[in-house]
Amino acid sequence: AQTVTQSQPEMSVQEAETVTLSCTYDTSENNYYLFWYKQPPSRQMILVIRQEAYKQQNATENRFSVNFQKAAKSFSLKISDSQLGDTAMYFCAFMPPDTGTASKLTFGTGTRLQVTL
Amino acid sequence: DAGITQSPRHKVTETGTPVTLRCHQTENHRYMYWYRQDPGHGLRLIHYSYGVKDTDKGEVSDGYSVSRSKTEDFLLTLESATSSQTSVYFCAISDRRINTDTQYFGPGTRLTVL
Repeated sequence: AQTVTQSQPEMSVQEAETVTLSCTYDTSENNYYLFWYKQPPSRQMILVIRQEAYKQQNATENRFSVNFQKAAKSFSLKISDSQLGDTAMYFCAFMPPDTGTASKLTFGTGTRLQVTL
Repeated sequence: DAGITQSPRHKVTETGTPVTLRCHQTENHRYMYWYRQDPGHGLRLIHYSYGVKDTDKGEVSDGYSVSRSKTEDFLLTLESATSSQTSVYFCAISDRRINTDTQYFGPGTRLTVL
């Protein structure tokens, strides 16, 4: 079974600074997907960014980018120019290749990020 | 917005009572999922569906059953609620028409079992 580890329960960053959230995972699969989801105080789960393991290029979405190191099984999220609205819980998630029935996510335990003035 | 609603949004019930949570989607997505979220555990998969009347168990399925009699509705039932089932429950969908293998979540239901 796959496992996802987020070793930083809480982090803090000042507005306009850059912060990196860590995620490692364990799998024997070669092809898979990795995700970062954001959960603000509203509780809504919001997709931040998605990475396909067969793509070497790191995914980027505006101020959010990842550092995907497949050999090290590491998938960190970098938030640039942090904004107060980035305050949230961030979850890293792993998805194995499609089995034809459904694509099941395994989540890490989350990192709570606080953006301060 | 993947057109997902959950009802009720909040519920308080007593131990031993049956509870049904509903997930409704409006965009004909094939795959639907139920997760629970607890402190220190992230989200864990309870059950999922890959079509009408096609369901299967996830990681934490004990004490839960599901049904999907039509594409738009996926029901999660706690036959006899226990305090350990106090949690926040999320429904999700995935659909290759949106983005291959990416799951989108509903707003969640907070369930408290006294």
